Amino acid sequence: SQKIEQNSEALNIQEGKTATLTCNYTNYSPAYLQWYRQDPGRGPVFLLLIRENEKEKRKERLKVTFDTTLKQSLFHITASQPADSATYLCALGSARQLTFGSGTQLTVLP
Amino acid sequence: ETGVTQTPRHLVMGMTNKKSLKCEQHLGHNAMYWYKQSAKKPLELMFVYNFKEQTENNSVPSRFSPECPNSSHLFLHLHTLQPEDSALYLCASSQDPLAESSEQFFGPGTRLTVL
Repeated sequence: SQKIEQNSEALNIQEGKTATLTCNYTNYSPAYLQWYRQDPGRGPVFLLLIRENEKEKRKERLKVTFDTTLKQSLFHITASQPADSATYLCALGSARQLTFGSGTQLTVLP
Repeated sequence: ETGVTQTPRHLVMGMTNKKSLKCEQHLGHNAMYWYKQSAKKPLELMFVYNFKEQTENNSVPSRFSPECPNSSHLFLHLHTLQPEDSALYLCASSQDPLAESSEQFFGPGTRLTVL
């Protein structure tokens, strides 16, 4: 069965460091992958999209990689700030649906 | 905000009650979605509407009944729910679900508690 795993439920890092979140999947061939941010009591907010034929995408301090051989996406936040603390969700897309992972809760410590 | 509103934000209901959740999007999108988010679990897609037509129903129990009167409004009618239905119910919209990479815009959700 299809499975999406995000590296850990929670990740704590020091302010200024680079946060790296992992999204692994099995039994799935997504056409694209999206990353969302979710704050407590709010709905997810779209951050970045990367397609299957793209290796890397950047947006300001964010970088996403997509390795269809390893079946893995990495999400990096450079120069992290306490305001980056949130839950980050990866979502695999194909046809007409997005399938979400359970998320990684990131805490950036001042 | 995201352009997607949901009401109510919080709802407590008994197992015999009937209630409805409302979602409205102001983005001119053609597709709308209902998701269920339980603690520590991934978002579960419940229903998809494209141009007011239901295109997906992911084996959702009949005690959840969606309604999409137009492309801007989406309802989720609830009746005889179970305590395990307690969760955050999220509405989302996108330009076109058939587009390869339509990002989804989510509302703030309705926190539902079934007693």
